[in-house]
Amino acid sequence: GQNIDQPTEMTATEGAIVQINCTYQTSGFNGLFWYQQHAGEAPTFLSYNVLDGLEEKGRFSSFLSRSKGYSYLLLKELQMKDSASYLCAVQGGGKLIFGQGTELSVKP
Amino acid sequence: GAVVSQHPSRVICKSGTSVKIECRSLDFQATTMFWYRQFPKQSLMLMATSNEGSKATYEQGVEKDKFLINHASLTLSTLTVASAHPEDSSFYICSATQGMRDTIYFGEGSWLTVV
Repeated sequence: GQNIDQPTEMTATEGAIVQINCTYQTSGFNGLFWYQQHAGEAPTFLSYNVLDGLEEKGRFSSFLSRSKGYSYLLLKELQMKDSASYLCAVQGGGKLIFGQGTELSVKP
Repeated sequence: GAVVSQHPSRVICKSGTSVKIECRSLDFQATTMFWYRQFPKQSLMLMATSNEGSKATYEQGVEKDKFLINHASLTLSTLTVASAHPEDSSFYICSATQGMRDTIYFGEGSWLTVV
């Protein structure tokens, strides 16, 4: 079966660093995505990992370990506008399946 | 600009009527399109995977007779909610890709309210 787990919510302080974890068990694996979604809007692409290791893109980094079925999204220098839902999604078996999303609240 | 266009962005319909939502890829050929629905404060739930020219593959628990998906061309997929009821009110969103190893683009989403 397909199972993607991430924490439901997290709180962090402006300027800090936060790590959002995602574990998965899926039939087939072609890559893992991280998306940001603000309420009522479509998801916005953040990162894509298909090989093990760290992908860095500005304030956002994403890590993948395929053997452990594990990924994390790292957000640095948090800003208030980073308050949003962060979705982990796994591509495999011809599908793109989403985790339940992590609601991140950034406090001053 | 958007590479996947979804229309309408908002629709209100009466209970018992049918509603069609369109998903278009604007500058690429989408061999695969995904349809999701999202309830407030919940994640995107995959409803079906649609490959051009073939029948959609529905996820378990999704009624194929109620949520009719057509992917007749490489740039257009439609989702028709047949005989809509208030419980069908939700945010419906499509995504499209040229191939499973290519970038996946999302439409802007469609808010359906059934009254």
